[in-house]
Amino acid sequence: EPEVTQTPSHQVTQMGQEVILRCVPISNHLYFYWYRQILGQKVEFLVSFYNNEISEKSEIFDDQFSVERPDGSNFTLKIRSTKLEDSAMYFCASGSEGVNGELFFGEGSRLTVL
Amino acid sequence: QKEVEQNSGPLSVPEGAIASLNCTYSDRGSQSFFWYRQYSGKSPELIMFIYSNGDKEDGRFTAQLNKASQYVSLLIRDSQPSDSATYLCAGEMDSSYKLIFGSGTRLLVRP
Repeated sequence: EPEVTQTPSHQVTQMGQEVILRCVPISNHLYFYWYRQILGQKVEFLVSFYNNEISEKSEIFDDQFSVERPDGSNFTLKIRSTKLEDSAMYFCASGSEGVNGELFFGEGSRLTVL
Repeated sequence: QKEVEQNSGPLSVPEGAIASLNCTYSDRGSQSFFWYRQYSGKSPELIMFIYSNGDKEDGRFTAQLNKASQYVSLLIRDSQPSDSATYLCAGEMDSSYKLIFGSGTRLLVRP
């Protein structure tokens, strides 16, 4: 069964360092997303990506964040200068119909900022 | 601020009982609603989605949507200990590009 894969599963970094989280969405999907979940809190929308551009982003997704689909298969989230409050589980998701159909979530990348 | 509200629980039911999980939403224009199950430390897993008023059944699960009351529910029949998890309600709000999640209801099914 096709699945969304994410790497790394866990990353520990120092405050101020750059982090790149990687995702391989399901191959025939067109809509890509990043969500995050701070421990014990809600799953929060960060950004959606369609047709090689950002379609929507949340207030959380400020200038420190960027997304890229560099090679037609990978979908990356970069945090330029991490802060303590960026510590969370980051989920990549993909879908074939946007939010009108099923979103498939990856297993997540846990980011710990020290 | 568009919101999805859920009781955090825990909701405790005995094995074999019906578990009823509820969710309300603030955006009257929302069209699509989703129930996800999340085990501790894991990613959300879709159980059901519903677009139309009324009931939608899939195996032991029934989703109910009442757009007039802005209310979504999930019934789990014949609850099993393996159903113990946090159940997330999510709605499409404002656009077709994002889901807004509730904070989740923790369900405990007692053997």
